[in-house]
Amino acid sequence: DQQVKQNSPSLSVQEGRISILNCDYTNSMFDYFLWYKKYPAEGPTFLISISSIKDKNEDGRFTVFLNKSAKHLSLHIVPSQPGDSAVYFCAASPKTGANNLFFGTGTRLTVIP
Amino acid sequence: NAGVTQTPKFRVLKTGQSMTLLCAQDMNHEYMYWYRQDPGMGLRLIHYSVGEGTTAKGEVPDGYNVSRLKKQNFLLGLESAAPSQTSVYFCASSPRTSGSSYNEQFFGPGTRLTVL
Repeated sequence: DQQVKQNSPSLSVQEGRISILNCDYTNSMFDYFLWYKKYPAEGPTFLISISSIKDKNEDGRFTVFLNKSAKHLSLHIVPSQPGDSAVYFCAASPKTGANNLFFGTGTRLTVIP
Repeated sequence: NAGVTQTPKFRVLKTGQSMTLLCAQDMNHEYMYWYRQDPGMGLRLIHYSVGEGTTAKGEVPDGYNVSRLKKQNFLLGLESAAPSQTSVYFCASSPRTSGSSYNEQFFGPGTRLTVL
């Protein structure tokens, strides 16, 4: 049973425009949410995170929004750049445990020059 | 710092063969993890360790064993490989969690395993 879902397998955006990647979760015990970026033949790299006590976290061109009542989070990339083309994974961690992460299935973002 | 390294990068096994995947980290992290990534499934946790000498099961532990004899190393073993274990395996590590803080996981480059 997939506890973290990314319903869009792929997304294409023009360079300079906004990219919006979405993620939904089902487990109300999740306390922390992260986005990872993955290039082919490499491991995932941490991008940005948000605690459940916040509804927004911003880091440069990247902003993550959390809507706890809807169990939904989104990643906004503005402006999008060709180097942002990668697979983006949403991940969530519960209040207990050893930082264990539950991952979504990923969204492949393509930024068109 | 090399971060998290994994050995080997690629491996092809025949059904029934055994092998060990090695993960090493030089960041002095307490926690270490093994994931597998399959098409359309995202990353799923196999086993994890909260410290030297301790291991625990994740979401998909069947068919795998692990050991953490040294803090910097986390080994993943397949005793009798099956085609269903064809996957990309990622190791990760993170510092210990304290209080309400959260520390992200750092991932290795992955091992691509094919079981024929």
